[in-house]
Amino acid sequence: DSGVTQTPKHLITATGQRVTLRCSPRSGDLSVYWYQQSLDQGLQFLIQYYNGEERAKGNILERFSAQQFPDLHSELNLSSLELGDSALYFCASSVGIGIWANVLTFGAGSRLTVL
Amino acid sequence: DQQVKQNSPSLSVQEGRISILNCDYTNSMFDYFLWYKKYPAEGPTFLISISSIKDKNEDGRFTVFLNKSAKHLSLHIVPSQPGDSAVYFCAARASETSGSRLTFGEGTQLTVNP
Repeated sequence: DSGVTQTPKHLITATGQRVTLRCSPRSGDLSVYWYQQSLDQGLQFLIQYYNGEERAKGNILERFSAQQFPDLHSELNLSSLELGDSALYFCASSVGIGIWANVLTFGAGSRLTVL
Repeated sequence: DQQVKQNSPSLSVQEGRISILNCDYTNSMFDYFLWYKKYPAEGPTFLISISSIKDKNEDGRFTVFLNKSAKHLSLHIVPSQPGDSAVYFCAARASETSGSRLTFGEGTQLTVNP
């Protein structure tokens, strides 16, 4: 157990629908990152939050949004889902940012299947 | 633009032999490199890292080598064990320009045969 908790583990939904993925960071970690891993690809960075504020944005689609709440948990919202959104979505956390965040700790991921 | 590339999708070695996983990068601003290991149905777990000011870092059976001039790093596992069978991801960070976010390669599936 890495200490990073992601729910749900599996999710099957239909095109056009909206889903919310949830992440609780490791205790003491202030920064949360979301990554997407599509079939046979590496992890693609989506977005980062630090202590409730958006810190960095990667290749995140406009149909996707995220936020980090005061208790530091984070949610990734995916809307108007398409078949190509089927992927593993990983959340990671770190204590700080920049040089003070040497290692990201990952959750087990949420597998989204869009039919 | 794939800034971190692992050209070998898979590698198979015999138990007890050396496993060498390779990674190339293009961004000269990368200053910190990490290897993560991933088992099925689990998230990636940190294995070993190296700062750009070093050329080698060792932790038990795992050694990471960095060749900055060639923009290449490698992970050596000696001796390899069946439990090492997993997907290995190379990752890099450009602290000054991108903060703490990591850029990952595509991964290499390592299979260690008994």
